Formats: sequence, C-alpha cells, structure tokens
Amino acid sequence: EAGVTQFPSHSVIEKGQTVTLRCDPISGHDNLYWYRRVMGKEIKFLLHFVKESKQDESGMPNNRFLAERTGGTYSTLKVQPAELEDSGVYFCASSHSPGTGTNTEAFFGQGTRLTVV
Amino acid sequence: QKEVEQDPGPLSVPEGAIVSLNCTYSNSAFQYFMWYRQYSRKGPELLMYTYSSGNKEDGRFTAQVDKSSKYISLFIRDSQPSDSATYLCAMIGQAGTALIFGKGTTLSVSS
Repeated sequence: EAGVTQFPSHSVIEKGQTVTLRCDPISGHDNLYWYRRVMGKEIKFLLHFVKESKQDESGMPNNRFLAERTGGTYSTLKVQPAELEDSGVYFCASSHSPGTGTNTEAFFGQGTRLTVV
Repeated sequence: QKEVEQDPGPLSVPEGAIVSLNCTYSNSAFQYFMWYRQYSRKGPELLMYTYSSGNKEDGRFTAQVDKSSKYISLFIRDSQPSDSATYLCAMIGQAGTALIFGKGTTLSVSS
C-alpha cells in the first residue's frame, strides 16, 4: 500500500511569490490533515478535511493560506504571497474515519520543507 | 501555558540503556495519547497509542499514561543505535480530531 506522498520535498521561493504544496493521501482515507513545524517549535495543526469538506480550519494562520481537496482525493495548500515567517516543514497526514471499524491511525507524509528568502 | 510540554533534550545514552521520555499536558479533555518517532528528513511514524490511563507494552517499548497527574511516559528498554530519532508525544480529545504535539525529544543512542 502506498503511503502519504507529498510534493515537492523541498521548495525555496522569494518573499512575495506563490507556492503550492500537494498531498496525496492513502487511498480510501477520508480524513486529511495539514500540519506545520516552524523551526524550534512544535508541529502545529493547520486544517482538517473530511473527504472534500473542510472540517476544521482553525489552525490556518491567515488568509494567505488556501487549502483545497479536489473530489476528496489529493489536497493542495497554496501560500500567496509567501512571507519569511511561512518557512518551515509542512506535513500532511491521512486516516480512516472513526466508527468505520478500521484503524484510525494518522499516517504522515515525509513533509515539504519550505524556505522563503 | 502550552497544552503539551516536552523537554527537547538532546538526550544521549549508551547502547543497552533504559530511556525514559516524558510529556505533561494541561487539557483534561485529552483521552488518546500517542508517541511518534521521527527520523531525520522523514515524517512522524506512530510508535505507541494509548487510550485513557494505564500502561501499554510493545516489544522494547512501554507507554504509560497517568491522567490524574496529566503525565505520560515512553520507556525504551535495551536501547539500540537505530532508536536514535526524535520522539514526539501527541494527544487528542476525540478520535479523528487534530493531534496536539509536544516539541519532541531528540534521542541519540551510541554504540
């Protein structure tokens, strides 16, 4: 079974540019989460999709961040325009929903390391 | 006060040592407690998962949860160089909701 896949693995962009991160969850996982780790800080939640719907976006820092999940499959996280403080590692995770009789463990991708210069 | 506190270390031990990693938390609504292991340039990988208070053992790893003290621990017996990684505690109130992470403790096991 393929794991959670994130693209690109590393991105360096200039302040003011736009970057789009992509996450392909494990097939069949309705839940998709985005997290971010800023240097020296803990991993923090950004938002949660259930299928194509945003279940919780309370962790999104501001309106420069836009997340989508087309057809409940892959997800993109766009940062426009990027600022220096957006640098960090962006993780995506996916899981089955509770109550489905399946393991609800969240599986993480390897992360996208974003550097804004 | 942060919701989850974890000493980032680093922690260095010789091969074969018993390692104790700990987290404290403030939110009494947390019911599910996890330990993730993260190798350099990789994503977090679930190691242990405990619901409510008690102990859980899996091979060389034992997870303990004391909800009355809001304190969780991960013990690693007979530590190996391959255990060198960052260990993250995480917790949630309800299944399916977002994980709240500690900062992670960096462990180095020398042969």
